[in-house]
Parts: sequence; C-alpha cells; structure tokens
Amino acid sequence: AQSVAQPEDQVNVAEGNPLTVKCTYSVSGNPYLFWYVQYPNRGLQFLLKYITGDNLVKGSYGFEAEFNKSQTSFHLKKPSALVSDSALYFCAVRSYGGATNKLIFGTGTLLAVQP
Amino acid sequence: DGGITQSPKYLFRKEGQNVTLSCEQNLNHDAMYWYRQDPGQGLRLIYYSQIVNDFQKGDIAEGYSVSREKKESFPLTVTSAQKNPTAFYLCASSILQQNVYGYTFGSGTRLTVV
Repeated sequence: AQSVAQPEDQVNVAEGNPLTVKCTYSVSGNPYLFWYVQYPNRGLQFLLKYITGDNLVKGSYGFEAEFNKSQTSFHLKKPSALVSDSALYFCAVRSYGGATNKLIFGTGTLLAVQP
Repeated sequence: DGGITQSPKYLFRKEGQNVTLSCEQNLNHDAMYWYRQDPGQGLRLIYYSQIVNDFQKGDIAEGYSVSREKKESFPLTVTSAQKNPTAFYLCASSILQQNVYGYTFGSGTRLTVV
C-alpha cells in the first residue's frame, strides 16, 4: 500500500538556524513527491516537487528537498529559517503508473520558528 | 488568472440542515477533490471526480454528497446525516494525465455548526 509518513508533529527551530522537516514514503513504482505549505485558514500552496533527475530540488521561499531513494525519504530543508516560515507543512506522494492518480498526503508537520 | 475558487469562506449550519459548499476551477483540470481538515489534523479525502458525471468515495464519504455536472464545478453537500460537520473543507483540482503537476488547492471553507 502507498503511504507517506511525517514522523514529527511539530518542529521547533530558532530564527536563522537551519531547518529540516522529515518525510518518508512507500510506493510501488517510481515516486512523484511534493511538498505543500499551509498558513492558518488558507489552502495548501505548492512548494516543490521531485519527478526525476537531480536528487536535490529547489522550490519557493528558499526551500529545498533531497530525494533519497535508498532511504525512501524526501526531507524538506532550508539553510536559515525565518519567523514567517512558521506554518503547517505537508508531504505528498503519487506513484507513477499506479492504479490511481491521487496524491497521498502525510499528516502534516507544524513548523514553529522562534525569533 | 486561472485558479480554483471556494465559496463561501465561512459557513454556519444549524442542526439538521443541509448545506452546499461551492468549488469552481478555470484551470481546465480533469480531476477535482474534496478534503476535510480538523484542527491540528491532516487531510482526509471525502470524494473525488476524475471525469464529468462520475465521482468516487474517499475515506470519509458518509454524510456527504457531490455532483460533477460540469468540468469546472464540483459542489459538496454536507447533509444532516453528517453528525460532526464542523471542520475546514478544502477543494483541489489536478491534471489527470501523469499528475506531475500535483494539486491546486482552493482557499477553503470553514463550516461551523451553530
């Protein structure tokens, strides 16, 4: 069965420090991986995706993510956190060639950046 | 500008009342989805549709109904059978083929039972 795991409900980091939000996945076939961000009372906004190619993908607002096939992970990273990065982050996966085109979402990780 | 519009932003429902949440997209996307989000929780799929006049139940379809009469529109009705409807509802759409572009989300509707 396809699944996505975000093992941390919340990540706390000081402003200016690097941040990592973890995501691991399980799919049959090649994964398409996505990160979304949600601010309070808003919809989800696309941050970045991995489809194929370079394992390090860069996205919006200075975020990047590293695809690691052997560890089935797609962790979200940023070299220097901002208070404005505080939000709920969702990882999602779709299996190419699978029976469904639906994305499978993780449970979300709340990122809190302290000034 | 292309996008996906949900209305209303806030909705209040009385006990035993049916209410309908609107979702419209002008992205020419094939597929549309409805999710429910409870405070501090992830997304739970209610219904989805990949083609006009066809839709499929998601993980928590009980107490909800949908229609897909037009490609652009995918309204969600929260019926009186849904015993705990207070939540944030998100609509999304996507290109069906390969779905390399992921989903585009609306800004959500917050439903409260009064």
